[in-house]
Amino acid sequence: QKEVEQDPGPLSVPEGAIVSLNCTYSNSAFQYFMWYRQYSRKGPELLMYTYSSGNKEDGRFTAQVDKSSKYISLFIRDSQPSDSATYLCAMGDNFNKFYFGSGTKLNVKP
Amino acid sequence: EPEVTQTPSHQVTQMGQEVILRCVPISNHLYFYWYRQILGQKVEFLVSFYNNEISEKSEIFDDQFSVERPDGSNFTLKIRSTKLEDSAMYFCASSEYGPRIDAYEQYFGPGTRLTVT
Repeated sequence: QKEVEQDPGPLSVPEGAIVSLNCTYSNSAFQYFMWYRQYSRKGPELLMYTYSSGNKEDGRFTAQVDKSSKYISLFIRDSQPSDSATYLCAMGDNFNKFYFGSGTKLNVKP
Repeated sequence: EPEVTQTPSHQVTQMGQEVILRCVPISNHLYFYWYRQILGQKVEFLVSFYNNEISEKSEIFDDQFSVERPDGSNFTLKIRSTKLEDSAMYFCASSEYGPRIDAYEQYFGPGTRLTVT
């Protein structure tokens, strides 16, 4: 069983839509969760960081963690064409090692 | 805003040659990482480094790989004898480390594209 599972997409939405991106994981010890945005052939850019369960909001982005279901989500409100990128989830239980999902490719159409 | 930098941006080498990839982590960060991403695949953990020693390494990080912090600012990844399958983007990352929850945030550099011919 893979540590982190993420639907690769692609996900195509119209501008202004609410986007929901998700990851599931198998290791119940994970408590540090991050979402990254990656443009083609660029480094991952940290978007959101969440510790343990709960919600965190930053502008148009909301990250949710449900540890009981081993499920994390990233919501993007009022999506823009500039949000078109690959979104990666990453998680771990300590500083030593983080596990990445395979990434979901998002396309926001004008 | 502080950022992780990496050099070179693109390295082409012949199979069997040694390469050194360089990174300058964010200055007050104490935990350093190397990841790789083969084209079209997921970001894979290679190694983490703290207090001048390896904290953890993956099964990919075999004897052909080594890491070093030669001075107070640089962090390097050496591949001793490159193979075709080492062709990938290599990303350096760093995190602050400490008691604060957000000390776990990992910041990535722009990557070095390694092409082994």
